[in-house]
Amino acid sequence: DAGVTQSPTHLIKTRGQQVTLRCSPISGHKSVSWYQQVLGQGPQFIFQYYEKEERGRGNFPDRFSARQFPNYSSELNVNALLLGDSALYLCASSSMSGGVSEQYFGPGTRLTVT
Amino acid sequence: QKEVEQNSGPLSVPEGAIASLNCTYSDRGSQSFFWYRQYSGKSPELIMFIYSNGDKEDGRFTAQLNKASQYVSLLIRDSQPSDSATYLCAVNDYKLSFGAGTTVTVRA
Repeated sequence: DAGVTQSPTHLIKTRGQQVTLRCSPISGHKSVSWYQQVLGQGPQFIFQYYEKEERGRGNFPDRFSARQFPNYSSELNVNALLLGDSALYLCASSSMSGGVSEQYFGPGTRLTVT
Repeated sequence: QKEVEQNSGPLSVPEGAIASLNCTYSDRGSQSFFWYRQYSGKSPELIMFIYSNGDKEDGRFTAQLNKASQYVSLLIRDSQPSDSATYLCAVNDYKLSFGAGTTVTVRA
């Protein structure tokens, strides 16, 4: 079975622009979480969706938004990009929300804001 | 105080030795704990998780949990050069809260 897929792999944007990142979870998984990882730090939680509903939101500004589709894929949108948004954006897939459900990461999208 | 703290690295061990990684967490109510391995430029890869006090073994990896001390550790036995990576400790409370990671280098 295919693992978590993300697109695009790399992206270069200019300050003030908007970006959309995409994620497809492992087949059968209904929960998708988004994380931001800057160099030298652990991933930071942005959003979690389960069964198309938002289950949690991390400490990120309203410029960040996300949604989950009926097929459980997800998009992360970031508006009015800042230089500090440059990071590796990770999508994680799990079968359920919370508890001991393992989260499996996709390859990530490397976003560079210039 | 950070939610999850890991022992600062980098950690350098000779091939065949045991690498010991430590992690403490602040929320006494935390129930499940995960260890991920991340190679440079790649995404985190799940190694194992633990939610009961005591030891849990999986191949060359052993996770140890002590909820009273709010302490989680990962032992890598018979370390190989391919184990050279950053190891991330995470607490699972529907979302994963990560430490900053410990970079391990295994010397051949």
